[in-house]
This record gives sequence, structure tokens and C-alpha cells, in this order.
Amino acid sequence: SAVISQKPSRDICQRGTSLTIQCQVDSQVTMMFWYRQQPGQSLTLIATANQGSEATYESGFVIDKFPISRPNLTFSTLTVSNMSPEDSSIYLCSAGGWNTEAFFGQGTRLTVV
Amino acid sequence: KNEVEQSPQNLTAQEGEFITINCSYSVGISALHWLQQHPGGGIVSLFMLSSGKKKHGRLIATINIQEKHSSLHITASHPRDSAVYICAVILAGDMRFGAGTRLTVKP
Repeated sequence: SAVISQKPSRDICQRGTSLTIQCQVDSQVTMMFWYRQQPGQSLTLIATANQGSEATYESGFVIDKFPISRPNLTFSTLTVSNMSPEDSSIYLCSAGGWNTEAFFGQGTRLTVV
Repeated sequence: KNEVEQSPQNLTAQEGEFITINCSYSVGISALHWLQQHPGGGIVSLFMLSSGKKKHGRLIATINIQEKHSSLHITASHPRDSAVYICAVILAGDMRFGAGTRLTVKP
């Protein structure tokens, strides 16, 4: 099993600023995933982060808006750049899930004012 | 049509009641997950299924591959079971999520 520590747990940010969310895994994982959950909706995959390569972004998400780092097999960050109120969501990181249990961080509840 | 359909969308129960949440999917999958999301946003994995039935404490999950259907049962429900329960399937290398079932258990 794996435990993922995600921070911050919540933040209120001014529009136009950026926020970096961190996820630390207590074991090495090949792929990590970043999700957005808009109010009242289910999870939407933003990107897949592999160590040593560029993140793979889903349709509708771009690197300039959501830059991702994956410096090693236990850590990843997601930055939400130039924020607007429409970016207010819960952001979650995850690992596993394909033929194994899925592990999620505690989520970051972002409010942009 | 969403590839993963959950029902009901919302469910209110009295403490002690038997709860059933359903998940149907439209195409073949390699695995199905039941997840629990707490009000703060954190998600906990409850089960991963590819066939049959699994039990953990008061939680039981079943899957019928032929009917493309899974159920999550909670026996002797308790207010601490109040959460959003999410069904997620592994399909063509992607994880697809249902919209979730919001469960409220009243004392």
C-alpha cells in the first residue's frame, strides 16, 4: 500500500496568482495522476506525471496553466497558474489503480477570489 | 451517455439501515474501484474488484462482469458512513469515474 501526503489542504487565493500543490508518496510509484473536481462534479484527469519525462496532459488542460514537476519517484507538484475564480475546485493527486489499489492524497480545496 | 452510471445520486438513511449503491458501466473493463470521499475532499480506496465479491467489515462489494454492474453494500449503517461514494472503472488504460452517490446516515 501507499500513503500520499498532499498539501496544502485548502487555500484561498487572489485571482492572477499561482498556487503550487505538493504530493509526497511514502513509496516509489511509476505514475502519478493529478485530478480536478469541480463543485458537485466527479473527478477529471488533468495529467499523468512520470518521473524523468514531461507530463501527459488531457484534452482541455495545458502545461502553461498547470505545470507539473516529477523530480523523483516519490514526489510531484502541480501548479495552478494565473488563477481565476473558475479554477476554484478540489485538486487531488493519485497513484496506482490499474491492477492495484488506488491511492489518493487528501485533496486541496482551492478557492479563488 | 456517461460510461459509468451510479445510482442513486443522493441517499438518506437511518442509522442501522442496509445501504445499497449501484454502478453500471457500458463497456468492458479490467477492474472496478469503489472509493469513499470525505467532506474535506480526501479519497479513500474501499475495494478493487475484477470479479466476484469482496467484504471488509460492514462493507461488501460485488461485481457482475456479464451484466456490467457492481454494487456496494453497507450493513448496519452508521452516521460516520456519511460520505460520497464513487465508482471508478479502468477502461482502455484510463480511470473513468462515476458522478458519486452522496450518502447521509442520520442517527
